[in-house]
Amino acid sequence: SQKIEQNSEALNIQEGKTATLTCNYTNYSPAYLQWYRQDPGRGPVFLLLIRENEKEKRKERLKVTFDTTLKQSLFHITASQPADSATYLCAPWARGSTLGRLYFGRGTQLTVWP
Amino acid sequence: NAGVTQTPKFRVLKTGQSMTLLCAQDMNHEYMYWYRQDPGMGLRLIHYSVGEGTTAKGEVPDGYNVSRLKKQNFLLGLESAAPSQTSVYFCASKDFGSGSRNTGELFFGEGSRLTVL
Repeated sequence: SQKIEQNSEALNIQEGKTATLTCNYTNYSPAYLQWYRQDPGRGPVFLLLIRENEKEKRKERLKVTFDTTLKQSLFHITASQPADSATYLCAPWARGSTLGRLYFGRGTQLTVWP
Repeated sequence: NAGVTQTPKFRVLKTGQSMTLLCAQDMNHEYMYWYRQDPGMGLRLIHYSVGEGTTAKGEVPDGYNVSRLKKQNFLLGLESAAPSQTSVYFCASKDFGSGSRNTGELFFGEGSRLTVL
């Protein structure tokens, strides 16, 4: 069965450092992968999409990589700020799943301390 | 635009009671989803719909039923609530859209917190 793993449930870093979150998947080949942010008591909010033919995608301080050989996506937040503290979820979109099914990883809770 | 609206936001049930969660979206999206979120378990897909009148099972469908009679609404029903169904339920919707500019973004509601005693 398809499996999605995100590195350690919690990641604590100092303000100004780069946070790196990992998403690994097994038993399928996603055509693209999404990253979401979730704040306590709120629904997830879409951040970025990266496609299988894209090695890297950037948006402001965010950078996402997608290695289909390693079956892994890395999510980087550079110059992190306390406001970046949240849970980050990855969602690999399986090939052929245009009919809708979308699964999420368990998320990594990021805390950025001053 | 309101986006995705879930009602109720909070509910307490006794074991064996039934209830329906309502999700409404005003973005004319084709796809709609129901997830549950439990501590340490992440988001788990219960049921989803790819269009009006269609529904499909996700990874944890047991104990739930859904209906999509109107494109803008997706209802999640619990016929006989159990304590194991205590959770936060999220509804989401997505446009069908294709092409390189389509991000497949899911728009989520704010969640419905259900407690079953």
